Amino acid sequence: NAGVTQTPKFQVLKTGQSMTLQCAQDMNHEYMSWYRQDPGMGLRLIHYSVGAGITDQGEVPNGYNVSRSTTEDFPLRLLSAAPSQTSVYFCASSYGGGGGLDTQYFGPGTRLTVL
Amino acid sequence: GQSLEQPSEVTAVEGAIVQINCTYQTSGFYGLSWYQQHDGGAPTFLSYNGLDGLEETGRFSSFLSRSDSYGYLLLQELQMKDSASYFCVRGDSSYKLIFGSGTRLLVRP
Repeated sequence: NAGVTQTPKFQVLKTGQSMTLQCAQDMNHEYMSWYRQDPGMGLRLIHYSVGAGITDQGEVPNGYNVSRSTTEDFPLRLLSAAPSQTSVYFCASSYGGGGGLDTQYFGPGTRLTVL
Repeated sequence: GQSLEQPSEVTAVEGAIVQINCTYQTSGFYGLSWYQQHDGGAPTFLSYNGLDGLEETGRFSSFLSRSDSYGYLLLQELQMKDSASYFCVRGDSSYKLIFGSGTRLLVRP
């Protein structure tokens, strides 16, 4: 199993550009989520999904869109990049037990810089 | 996270025991989990408490008291490799997870 994979690992954008961060898992997990982590801070939930075709907003959804057309994939789209979106982005997946609190597996992260 | 409070830093000696506390807001509370994150790495799952009491996994244990809105992570027989950040995570029935700001643990020889 590859686990949770994220691409790209690093990305530099200019203000106003759009892009999609890719996330895939091969563990047949129903629950997937996207977080951002700013330096010295905890992770903040952007969007999450409890299954294919279902998505919901987390703490900081503004400026981001998601879709979940398959169980395996959960891409995150930045609509119009802003310097405030400079961060490390983590994707995670789990079976969803315990209201999502059971074991979440994280991808390696995407380090995004917006100039 | 605004709904979770944990100390920002803890220092301990190799071989010792350290406890990292976490208090949380009770509204819609479902349970608490804990993650470890080394610098530059991704978080890794340590423990989950859905019920009151102690959960033990090797050198790591986690405790939850719903009546006190409080939980803790206990690390025993500290090793240098335990130097990392530790996050408590609060969940509710909507599957929306909130991470604490993290506790940076420094283990000294």
